Amino acid sequence: AQSVTQPDIHITVSEGASLELRCNYSYGATPYLFWYVQSPGQGLQLLLKYFSGDTLVQGIKGFEAEFKRSQSSFNLRKPSVHWSDAAEYFCAVGGNDMRFGAGTRLTVKP
Amino acid sequence: EAGVAQSPRYKIIEKRQSVAFWCNPISGHATLYWYQQILGQGPKLLIQFQNNGVVDDSQLPKDRFSAERLKGVDSTLKIQPAKLEDSAVYLCASSYVKGSYNEQFFGPGTRLTVL
Repeated sequence: AQSVTQPDIHITVSEGASLELRCNYSYGATPYLFWYVQSPGQGLQLLLKYFSGDTLVQGIKGFEAEFKRSQSSFNLRKPSVHWSDAAEYFCAVGGNDMRFGAGTRLTVKP
Repeated sequence: EAGVAQSPRYKIIEKRQSVAFWCNPISGHATLYWYQQILGQGPKLLIQFQNNGVVDDSQLPKDRFSAERLKGVDSTLKIQPAKLEDSAVYLCASSYVKGSYNEQFFGPGTRLTVL
């Protein structure tokens, strides 16, 4: 069965610092992988997705993610974090039958 | 383009009462999803509709939860009777059928508190 693990419940970074959020997945075939962001009181917004091809995926708001099949990982990165990036981030696997991780809450220190 | 609309945004009820949530998807989106997001967890799919037919309701607690999508547009999700553990945010999403993957667009959710 497909599943997603986000090992970090909460991460705090300073504004301007780099960010990496971890995601590990379990899936029987080549997965569809996603990162969503959820701000307080808001729905989920898609940051980026991976279906196939280039393993480094560019998304919105300066985010990127790298698919590593050998490690079953799809980590999200951003070179310089802004205060407005503070939110909850969810990794998901699948397509129409989507499975979400438990999320990582990002706090940005001034 | 208008997004997915949900109402109410917040609801507080006592256990054993009933409650209903409404969702209006993006115009033209044939697929509609209801998710339950318990505090500290990721969203969990409850039910998926394709037009007005149910595609997947395997994780819907059918003894108390029901959902319908009459005319293949708006949808309602009902809980009757509610339990304390139903306290969660209920998210609606919709997608346009194209190819093997359909990007899902999420509404703002309805936060339910059961006392």
